[in-house]
Amino acid sequence: DQQVKQNSPSLSVQEGRISILNCDYTNSMFDYFLWYKKYPAEGPTFLISISSIKDKNEDGRFTVFLNKSAKHLSLHIVPSQPGDSAVYFCAAKGQGAQKLVFGQGTRLTINP
Amino acid sequence: EAQVTQNPRYLITVTGKKLTVTCSQNMNHEYMSWYRQDPGLGLRQIYYSMNVEVTDKGDVPEGYKVSRKEKRNFPLILESPSPNQTSLYFCASSLLGGSGYTFGSGTRLTVV
Repeated sequence: DQQVKQNSPSLSVQEGRISILNCDYTNSMFDYFLWYKKYPAEGPTFLISISSIKDKNEDGRFTVFLNKSAKHLSLHIVPSQPGDSAVYFCAAKGQGAQKLVFGQGTRLTINP
Repeated sequence: EAQVTQNPRYLITVTGKKLTVTCSQNMNHEYMSWYRQDPGLGLRQIYYSMNVEVTDKGDVPEGYKVSRKEKRNFPLILESPSPNQTSLYFCASSLLGGSGYTFGSGTRLTVV
């Protein structure tokens, strides 16, 4: 049972435009959400997170939006740059839990 | 530099030949975990450890063993590897109560 789902395996965006990556979850006990970025031959690295008490968190070009009623979060990258080309994983954890549950990942390609 | 170190980075082995993938962290983190990454399935947790001598199964523990004799080390043991264990493996660590993980660079294992 996939509790965290990223339904788009890949996404291609023009440089300078907005990239929107989506993530859905089914477990209503999740209260903290993270996005990780992964380059080839490297481990995932933390990008941005959001607590369930918020609906938006911004860090430079990256913004994460959380819609609790829809159990949906999205990552916006504006403007997209070639260095943003990577696989992005959405992850979630429950209150007091240590385990991160990951989605399948979305491969983002930024075209010049 | 704060990091999680995995070895080896690449390994090709034959069915049934016992192997160990090492993982070491220098951040004094209590929590350590092993994940495997497979296409279309994302990152799935194999085993985790909350502290020295405290380990437990994750979502896909079959065919794997772990030990946690020291805080910094968390080796993954495949007693009798099979081809379905061909995968990309990541070790991760965090503080207990911490919000996210630090990942190692990964070990690509091929079992023939």
